[in-house]
Amino acid sequence: AQSVTQPDIHITVSEGASLELRCNYSYGATPYLFWYVQSPGQGLQLLLKYFSGDTLVQGIKGFEAEFKRSQSSFNLRKPSVHWSDAAEYFCAVGPSGNTPLVFGKGTRLSVIA
Amino acid sequence: DSGVTQTPKHLITATGQRVTLRCSPRSGDLSVYWYQQSLDQGLQFLIQYYNGEERAKGNILERFSAQQFPDLHSELNLSSLELGDSALYFCASNEGQGRKFDTGELFFGEGSRLTVL
Repeated sequence: AQSVTQPDIHITVSEGASLELRCNYSYGATPYLFWYVQSPGQGLQLLLKYFSGDTLVQGIKGFEAEFKRSQSSFNLRKPSVHWSDAAEYFCAVGPSGNTPLVFGKGTRLSVIA
Repeated sequence: DSGVTQTPKHLITATGQRVTLRCSPRSGDLSVYWYQQSLDQGLQFLIQYYNGEERAKGNILERFSAQQFPDLHSELNLSSLELGDSALYFCASNEGQGRKFDTGELFFGEGSRLTVL
């Protein structure tokens, strides 16, 4: 079965520092890959998605992600983190069988001054 | 604001009871998806409806059921509630495009937090 692994449960970074959130997937074919963000008390918002083509995709809020087929990874990056980026980040792959999107367990990002 | 509306935002009830969660999709969206988010299981797909018909079923318990009405709003019914059903229930929608899954973006509501005591 397809799966998504986010190895880091919680990451703390200083404001202004760079960020990389890891995502590894298991998928039988060319995957559709997504990063969503969930702020406290909010629903999930799409940051970016990869379907095909350029392996470096740009998203909203200054985020980008790089698809690396050889590593089965789709890591999320941001060059300079803002305090408002503190949230839960979810990587997802899909569709898979009877499931539209399979989500990872999420990485909680804390931002300190 | 995603355009997906869920009610109620919070719900506290007792074991054995039954609750109904409601979702209004974005205007024009035909597909509605229900997800359950819990600390131990993460985000789990429950069920999808497209234009009133069940399209796909995930890890949905037999005690749970859903439907999508002609006006495209959807309801998730949870019965014989157990402590372990406490979770955040998300509704999401997208256009659907007639395929089983529209591989574009899912637009999520803010969720209904269910607490079973």
